[in-house]
Amino acid sequence: QLQLQESGPGLVKPSETLSLTCTVSGGSVSSSSYYWGWIRQPPGKGLEWIGNIYYSGSAHYNPSLKSRVTISVDTSKNEFSLKVTSVTAADTAVYYCARRVLSSSKVDYWGQGTLVTVSS
Amino acid sequence: QSVLTQPPSVSAAPGQKVTISCSGSSSNIGNNYVSWYQQLPGTAPKLLIYENNKRPSGIPDRFSGSKSGTSATLGITGLQTGDEADYYCGTWDTSLSADVFGGGTTLTVL
Repeated sequence: QLQLQESGPGLVKPSETLSLTCTVSGGSVSSSSYYWGWIRQPPGKGLEWIGNIYYSGSAHYNPSLKSRVTISVDTSKNEFSLKVTSVTAADTAVYYCARRVLSSSKVDYWGQGTLVTVSS
Repeated sequence: QSVLTQPPSVSAAPGQKVTISCSGSSSNIGNNYVSWYQQLPGTAPKLLIYENNKRPSGIPDRFSGSKSGTSATLGITGLQTGDEADYYCGTWDTSLSADVFGGGTTLTVL
């Protein structure tokens, strides 16, 4: 059974960089059938797609976040990562990593989510 | 403002049926598959419907999906109190080259 687990600091200071890693077990990030992505949810609000990455390193980003976001993949460690620069309180959210099927756009596996708070 | 439009809330009595709409455009719903997700309080979203109307294994047939033109609909019959959750539609937007979600709909089973 595929499992995804987010890890990283739960508190980040304003203007600094938010960094999270998603470790994949029970499956491979090198599979050609999937994207690996990040989705966030501010407290009490809806889901916001951040971006996806393919095992080759090809990525798509939310246009509204593109200038501050980088997603990378490490096939040797079977994990992928998220960096968001110049964070503000508006970046406070539960961050989910997820697997997205290439052909149908369904997100079929989600991590449990990790709350990241931006505060001094 | 979400690219996909959902009603903020719907409600119905136990045992009844409810539908949740998701409205988009030709660049997203009109030309791509729609998925639906259920998010129970305090948990990660779970895939409920994919490719417009297919159910993953383990999802009861009380849940159904349909698509017509640039809109999609999630239907839930035989409502149970355990169905109280937030529901989201999602798809790919070809113009944005981005995955997009609806704003979410809160279902209350009265």
